[in-house]
Amino acid sequence: EAGVTQFPSHSVIEKGQTVTLRCDPISGHDNLYWYRRVMGKEIKFLLHFVKESKQDESGMPNNRFLAERTGGTYSTLKVQPAELEDSGVYFCASSQDLGREVYNEQFFGPGTRLTVL
Amino acid sequence: GQNIDQPTEMTATEGAIVQINCTYQTSGFNGLFWYQQHAGEAPTFLSYNVLDGLEEKGRFSSFLSRSKGYSYLLLKELQMKDSASYLCAVDSGYALNFGKGTSLLVTP
Repeated sequence: EAGVTQFPSHSVIEKGQTVTLRCDPISGHDNLYWYRRVMGKEIKFLLHFVKESKQDESGMPNNRFLAERTGGTYSTLKVQPAELEDSGVYFCASSQDLGREVYNEQFFGPGTRLTVL
Repeated sequence: GQNIDQPTEMTATEGAIVQINCTYQTSGFNGLFWYQQHAGEAPTFLSYNVLDGLEEKGRFSSFLSRSKGYSYLLLKELQMKDSASYLCAVDSGYALNFGKGTSLLVTP
């Protein structure tokens, strides 16, 4: 079974440009999460989709970030315009929805390393 | 707010036992996860604790005390391949709140 995949693995862009990151979750996983790790800091939650709906986007830093999950399959995270402080590793994770009585293990992708110059 | 603390770095010898501690203060608690992450790779699930006590899984064990806001990951019979970052994460709802990770170096 394929795991969570992310594209691209690395992206180097200049300040002011636009970048779109893609995440393909494990097939059948309704929950999809985006996280970000800025250098020297902990991995931080950005947002959570259940199928195509945004369940929680409280971690999104500002309105330069836009996440979509049309059709409830893959998701994109667009940064427009990118700023220097957006540099970091963006992780995607997915999980099944087994209810609140059991834990829903989140499976992580390898991340996209974004560098804004 | 969420506050999850773990040591930044640890070093241990191949074949030894190492304990990585994690303390947390979070607004909600639905369980605590430990993940292992090798450089440039995805974090991979190691363990989950939601009730107090010890969960054992092969060479890895994880302990939780909810009243103390404390967990530890115990790694036995260390191998060189165990050199990695170990992430403590608290599920406070649907999202995971991570510590900064503990970088473990296993030496011969």
